[in-house]
Amino acid sequence: KAGVTQTPRYLIKTRGQQVTLSCSPISGHRSVSWYQQTPGQGLQFLFEYFSETQRNKGNFPGRFSGRQFSNSRSEMNVSTLELGDSALYLCASSELASGNTIYFGEGSWLTVV
Amino acid sequence: AQSVTQLDSQVPVFEEAPVELRCNYSSSVSVYLFWYVQYPNQGLQLLLKYLSGSTLVESINGFEAEFNKSQTSFHLRKPSVHISDTAEYFCAVSEARGSARQLTFGSGTQLTVLP
Repeated sequence: KAGVTQTPRYLIKTRGQQVTLSCSPISGHRSVSWYQQTPGQGLQFLFEYFSETQRNKGNFPGRFSGRQFSNSRSEMNVSTLELGDSALYLCASSELASGNTIYFGEGSWLTVV
Repeated sequence: AQSVTQLDSQVPVFEEAPVELRCNYSSSVSVYLFWYVQYPNQGLQLLLKYLSGSTLVESINGFEAEFNKSQTSFHLRKPSVHISDTAEYFCAVSEARGSARQLTFGSGTQLTVLP
């Protein structure tokens, strides 16, 4: 099986712009979640989607949004980018039950200048 | 809500020496426990997990962790490390209920294995 695939791997954006990151989960996985990783704040949960519905949301401003499509692929969007949004954004997928292994992609490195 | 504390941000150790990476958690509900490893410029890979049953869990590459409920700890150990074990290690928890798939991570421990 192919792993969790994230695109793009690297991108540079300017303050005030918006960005969309894409994630394809492992085949058969219907839960997709997103995490932000920064040196200062570590790994923080952004949100989780299951069957096209957002199930949980972390403590991030409304500029951060996401969606999931019927094929379980997911996108996250950050609008009005700030310098502090520079981070590694990790997508993860899993099967339904809690405790099932959560598999991570290699991440999208976002630099805001 | 849960929280995870990794007591050591950096652990240098010589090759073939034993190592212990410490993890303590706090939660008002039952939790599942995980250790993930992150190599440079890569995502997270699951090393091992504790869901229930035997409190000692092992990974395929020689790591083991023991769940201690009374001390709310899940320390990671390896009896003999290799250069290739150099990486950042993250301890994480999730609620032990059917629909919970949100992980709360510790701040990470950078393990550096010296020749």
